[in-house]
Amino acid sequence: QSVLTQPPSVSGTPGRRVTISCTGSSSNIGAGYHVHWYQQLPGRAPKVLIYGNTDRSSGVPARFSGSKSGTSASLAITGLQAEDEADYYCQSFDDNLSAWVFGGGTKLTVL
Amino acid sequence: QITLKESGPTLVRPTQTLTLTCTFSGFSFSTTGVGVNWIRQPPGKALEWLALIYWDDDKRYSPSLKNRLTITKDTSKNQVVLTMTNVDPADTGTYYCAHRQYCDTNRCYPYDWFDPWGHGTHVTVSS
Repeated sequence: QSVLTQPPSVSGTPGRRVTISCTGSSSNIGAGYHVHWYQQLPGRAPKVLIYGNTDRSSGVPARFSGSKSGTSASLAITGLQAEDEADYYCQSFDDNLSAWVFGGGTKLTVL
Repeated sequence: QITLKESGPTLVRPTQTLTLTCTFSGFSFSTTGVGVNWIRQPPGKALEWLALIYWDDDKRYSPSLKNRLTITKDTSKNQVVLTMTNVDPADTGTYYCAHRQYCDTNRCYPYDWFDPWGHGTHVTVSS
């Protein structure tokens, strides 16, 4: 059971918009800690997409955006492309655990 | 350019001690603020943060594994070593090291993230 909750899977057709939610609590996201998002392509190491809740990592297309509100955060992907098919993870810090924590991951399928 | 590479055994017997090495380039523990993390991923499962070591030798551990983990650094060799005692088949997975990042080209942030990551090393715990 991950500290941060993500939907196990989302899907969309090319060109559409999808969002991936990341729900935490008052001891992590709600405490003001930043949320970061990672993309893990099949068989590859994760790479950061979004850091500091909303800032895109170098080279990441503007189709990817992050937001945060209260105890939750979201990753939005517009203009979905086949190459976006991957696993996505949110990450933050938890006060109660004094540890960096990840969401359970969301598998994005491009139909 | 920062790069990290993990190395270690691919097969470990249950109850043995696992030792993994992260060799990096592009930064140094001689620089204030530097840190290196270990993160693992069981097959088909989510990422799990394990440990972090800072430039000043301060260390942080996952509370669920802290009794089994030790993280050390060798500044002269640009290496970080993670040891895990009394391994179990549940410890099977890919182990990554990742650079502690908290600044971009414009500013620094109060909370760090993991960037970049090594390619990972797969470890199987089995008798």
